[in-house]
Amino acid sequence: QLVLTQSPSASASLGASVKLTCTLSSGHSSYAIAWHQQQPEKGPRYLMNLSSDGSHSKGDGIPDRFSGSSSGAERYLTISSLQSEDEADYYCQTWDTDIRVFGGGTKLTVL
Amino acid sequence: EVQLVESGGGLVQPGRSLRLSCTTSGFTFGDYAMSWVRQAPGKGLEWVGFIRSKDYGGTTEYAASVKGRFTISRDDSKSIAYLQMNSLKTEDTAVYYCSRGFSGYEDYWGQGTLVTVSS
Repeated sequence: QLVLTQSPSASASLGASVKLTCTLSSGHSSYAIAWHQQQPEKGPRYLMNLSSDGSHSKGDGIPDRFSGSSSGAERYLTISSLQSEDEADYYCQTWDTDIRVFGGGTKLTVL
Repeated sequence: EVQLVESGGGLVQPGRSLRLSCTTSGFTFGDYAMSWVRQAPGKGLEWVGFIRSKDYGGTTEYAASVKGRFTISRDDSKSIAYLQMNSLKTEDTAVYYCSRGFSGYEDYWGQGTLVTVSS
Protein backbone atom coordinates (compact mmCIF):
# COMPACT_ATOMS: atom_id res chain seq x y z
CA GLN A 1 0.00 0.00 0.00
CA LEU A 2 1.28 3.41 -1.03
CA VAL A 3 1.72 5.52 2.10
CA LEU A 4 3.64 8.68 2.96
CA THR A 5 4.83 9.33 6.51
CA GLN A 6 5.67 12.77 7.91
CA SER A 7 6.57 13.95 11.40
CA PRO A 8 3.66 15.94 12.87
CA SER A 9 5.73 18.93 13.88
CA ALA A 10 9.05 20.72 13.47
CA SER A 11 10.49 23.98 14.66
CA ALA A 12 13.46 26.21 13.86
CA SER A 13 14.60 29.74 14.54
CA LEU A 14 14.11 32.76 12.34
CA GLY A 15 16.98 32.93 9.82
CA ALA A 16 18.00 29.30 10.39
CA SER A 17 17.46 26.28 8.13
CA VAL A 18 15.13 23.32 8.57
CA LYS A 19 14.86 19.97 6.78
CA LEU A 20 11.48 18.25 6.64
CA THR A 21 11.21 14.55 5.84
CA CYS A 22 8.65 12.52 3.92
CA THR A 23 9.09 8.72 3.89
CA LEU A 24 7.66 6.45 1.21
CA SER A 25 6.27 3.05 2.19
CA SER A 26 8.17 -0.16 1.58
CA GLY A 27 8.44 -1.08 -2.08
CA HIS A 28 7.84 2.47 -3.26
CA SER A 29 11.27 4.03 -2.81
CA SER A 30 11.53 4.95 -6.51
CA TYR A 31 8.43 7.14 -6.48
CA ALA A 32 8.56 10.85 -7.04
CA ILE A 33 6.66 13.19 -4.75
CA ALA A 34 5.46 16.78 -4.63
CA TRP A 35 5.68 19.22 -1.72
CA HIS A 36 2.89 21.65 -0.87
CA GLN A 37 2.72 24.48 1.64
CA GLN A 38 -0.43 25.55 3.44
CA GLN A 39 -0.22 28.78 5.40
CA PRO A 40 -2.80 29.36 8.14
CA GLU A 41 -6.33 29.86 6.84
CA LYS A 42 -5.20 29.53 3.21
CA GLY A 43 -5.42 26.95 0.46
CA PRO A 44 -2.41 24.77 -0.35
CA ARG A 45 0.35 26.02 -2.62
CA TYR A 46 2.49 23.79 -4.78
CA LEU A 47 6.20 24.12 -3.98
CA MET A 48 8.01 21.53 -6.09
CA ASN A 49 8.10 18.03 -7.43
CA LEU A 50 11.00 15.82 -6.36
CA SER A 51 12.33 12.68 -8.02
CA SER A 52 14.13 9.75 -6.43
CA ASP A 53 17.45 11.02 -7.75
CA GLY A 54 16.94 14.37 -6.03
CA SER A 55 16.17 16.37 -9.13
CA HIS A 56 13.36 18.82 -8.55
CA SER A 57 11.37 21.49 -10.33
CA LYS A 58 9.76 24.32 -8.39
CA GLY A 59 6.45 26.02 -8.91
CA ASP A 60 5.95 29.57 -10.07
CA GLY A 61 7.45 32.15 -7.75
CA ILE A 62 8.89 29.72 -5.22
CA PRO A 63 12.00 31.30 -3.69
CA ASP A 64 15.46 29.78 -3.97
CA ARG A 65 15.35 29.24 -0.18
CA PHE A 66 13.25 26.16 -0.84
CA SER A 67 15.05 23.07 -2.12
CA GLY A 68 14.52 19.34 -2.28
CA SER A 69 16.67 16.23 -2.02
CA SER A 70 16.24 12.46 -1.82
CA SER A 71 17.87 9.46 -0.17
CA GLY A 72 16.41 6.00 -0.59
CA ALA A 73 12.76 6.13 0.42
CA GLU A 74 13.11 9.53 2.01
CA ARG A 75 12.29 12.82 0.39
CA TYR A 76 13.37 16.08 1.96
CA LEU A 77 12.31 19.68 1.84
CA THR A 78 14.93 22.13 3.05
CA ILE A 79 14.02 25.71 3.82
CA SER A 80 16.93 28.06 4.44
CA SER A 81 16.97 31.59 5.88
CA LEU A 82 13.64 30.92 7.58
CA GLN A 83 11.16 33.75 7.55
CA SER A 84 8.02 34.23 9.60
CA GLU A 85 5.81 33.52 6.60
CA ASP A 86 7.33 30.05 6.32
CA GLU A 87 5.35 29.05 9.41
CA ALA A 88 2.85 26.70 7.81
CA ASP A 89 1.81 23.11 7.29
CA TYR A 90 3.83 21.19 4.73
CA TYR A 91 2.39 18.19 2.90
CA CYS A 92 4.06 15.69 0.63
CA GLN A 93 2.07 13.96 -2.10
CA THR A 94 2.68 11.01 -4.35
CA TRP A 95 0.72 9.15 -6.96
CA ASP A 96 0.17 6.00 -8.91
CA THR A 97 -1.93 5.31 -12.02
CA ASP A 98 -5.28 5.49 -10.25
CA ILE A 99 -4.58 7.10 -6.92
CA ARG A 100 -3.17 10.17 -5.24
CA VAL A 101 -1.78 10.03 -1.70
CA PHE A 102 -0.98 12.76 0.80
CA GLY A 103 1.20 12.54 3.85
CA GLY A 104 -0.25 13.60 7.19
CA GLY A 105 1.57 16.94 7.09
CA THR A 106 4.24 18.62 9.19
CA LYS A 107 3.43 21.76 11.13
CA LEU A 108 6.47 24.04 11.01
CA THR A 109 6.87 26.62 13.76
CA VAL A 110 9.32 29.47 13.25
CA LEU A 111 10.69 30.52 16.63
CA GLU B 1 -2.31 33.74 -14.54
CA VAL B 2 -3.74 30.36 -13.60
CA GLN B 3 -6.84 30.67 -11.41
CA LEU B 4 -9.17 28.10 -9.89
CA VAL B 5 -12.27 29.19 -8.00
CA GLU B 6 -14.52 26.75 -6.15
CA SER B 7 -18.16 27.45 -5.46
CA GLY B 8 -21.31 25.69 -4.33
CA GLY B 9 -20.42 24.88 -0.75
CA GLY B 10 -22.81 25.35 2.16
CA LEU B 11 -24.85 23.65 4.85
CA VAL B 12 -26.62 20.45 3.83
CA GLN B 13 -28.46 17.74 5.76
CA PRO B 14 -27.16 14.18 5.94
CA GLY B 15 -28.35 12.07 3.04
CA ARG B 16 -28.83 15.04 0.73
CA SER B 17 -26.82 16.09 -2.33
CA LEU B 18 -24.65 19.03 -3.29
CA ARG B 19 -22.73 19.97 -6.43
CA LEU B 20 -19.49 21.92 -6.30
CA SER B 21 -18.02 23.79 -9.25
CA CYS B 22 -14.43 24.70 -10.02
CA THR B 23 -14.23 27.55 -12.50
CA THR B 24 -10.82 27.98 -14.08
CA SER B 25 -8.92 30.43 -16.25
CA GLY B 26 -5.40 31.15 -17.45
CA PHE B 27 -4.63 27.77 -19.02
CA THR B 28 -5.98 25.34 -21.63
CA PHE B 29 -8.39 23.48 -19.37
CA GLY B 30 -8.91 20.53 -21.69
CA ASP B 31 -5.22 19.61 -21.58
CA TYR B 32 -5.19 18.82 -17.87
CA ALA B 33 -6.56 16.40 -15.32
CA MET B 34 -8.55 18.02 -12.53
CA SER B 35 -8.65 16.82 -8.94
CA TRP B 36 -10.69 17.37 -5.82
CA VAL B 37 -9.03 17.28 -2.40
CA ARG B 38 -10.73 17.90 0.94
CA GLN B 39 -9.66 18.93 4.41
CA ALA B 40 -11.81 18.18 7.45
CA PRO B 41 -11.65 20.76 10.26
CA GLY B 42 -8.24 20.59 11.94
CA LYS B 43 -7.12 17.68 9.77
CA GLY B 44 -4.78 17.09 6.85
CA LEU B 45 -5.40 16.90 3.12
CA GLU B 46 -7.39 13.95 1.79
CA TRP B 47 -7.54 13.10 -1.91
CA VAL B 48 -11.13 12.72 -3.12
CA GLY B 49 -10.74 11.93 -6.80
CA PHE B 50 -9.71 13.15 -10.22
CA ILE B 51 -10.81 13.22 -13.84
CA ARG B 52 -8.36 12.73 -16.67
CA SER B 53 -8.23 14.93 -19.72
CA LYS B 54 -10.12 13.81 -22.84
CA ASP B 55 -6.79 12.84 -24.40
CA TYR B 56 -6.51 10.22 -21.66
CA GLY B 57 -10.09 9.09 -21.93
CA GLY B 58 -11.71 11.56 -19.53
CA THR B 59 -12.02 8.75 -17.01
CA THR B 60 -12.29 9.16 -13.27
CA GLU B 61 -10.76 7.69 -10.12
CA TYR B 62 -12.01 8.03 -6.56
CA ALA B 63 -10.92 7.46 -2.99
CA ALA B 64 -12.57 4.48 -1.32
CA SER B 65 -14.30 6.79 1.17
CA VAL B 66 -16.38 8.47 -1.56
CA LYS B 67 -16.58 5.87 -4.33
CA GLY B 68 -20.17 5.27 -5.38
CA ARG B 69 -21.40 8.50 -3.76
CA PHE B 70 -19.32 11.22 -5.46
CA THR B 71 -18.96 11.88 -9.19
CA ILE B 72 -16.46 14.15 -10.90
CA SER B 73 -17.22 15.58 -14.33
CA ARG B 74 -15.88 18.30 -16.57
CA ASP B 75 -17.10 20.76 -19.19
CA ASP B 76 -14.11 21.63 -21.35
CA SER B 77 -16.13 24.24 -23.29
CA LYS B 78 -16.66 26.20 -20.07
CA SER B 79 -13.35 25.30 -18.34
CA ILE B 80 -15.25 24.02 -15.31
CA ALA B 81 -14.86 20.88 -13.23
CA TYR B 82 -17.66 19.57 -11.03
CA LEU B 83 -17.97 17.43 -7.94
CA GLN B 84 -21.42 15.91 -7.48
CA MET B 85 -21.80 14.68 -3.90
CA ASN B 86 -24.72 12.37 -3.08
CA SER B 87 -25.76 10.59 0.12
CA LEU B 88 -23.72 13.03 2.16
CA LYS B 89 -22.53 12.02 5.61
CA THR B 90 -21.46 14.13 8.57
CA GLU B 91 -17.89 12.92 8.00
CA ASP B 92 -17.92 14.60 4.57
CA THR B 93 -17.78 17.96 6.34
CA ALA B 94 -14.65 19.67 5.03
CA VAL B 95 -13.19 22.42 2.92
CA TYR B 96 -13.14 21.13 -0.65
CA TYR B 97 -10.31 22.22 -2.93
CA CYS B 98 -10.02 21.73 -6.65
CA SER B 99 -6.58 21.48 -8.17
CA ARG B 100 -4.95 21.10 -11.55
CA GLY B 101 -3.24 17.80 -12.12
CA PHE B 102 0.12 17.70 -13.83
CA SER B 103 1.92 14.39 -14.36
CA GLY B 104 0.35 12.96 -11.22
CA TYR B 105 0.68 15.84 -8.79
CA GLU B 106 -1.29 19.03 -8.19
CA ASP B 107 0.43 22.19 -9.43
CA TYR B 108 -2.26 24.80 -8.84
CA TRP B 109 -4.95 24.99 -6.18
CA GLY B 110 -8.12 26.92 -5.56
CA GLN B 111 -8.97 28.69 -2.31
CA GLY B 112 -11.54 26.08 -1.27
CA THR B 113 -15.24 25.98 -0.45
CA LEU B 114 -16.68 24.78 2.86
CA VAL B 115 -19.22 21.97 2.95
CA THR B 116 -20.97 21.35 6.26
CA VAL B 117 -23.11 18.25 6.60
CA SER B 118 -25.35 18.55 9.62
CA SER B 119 -28.96 18.19 10.62
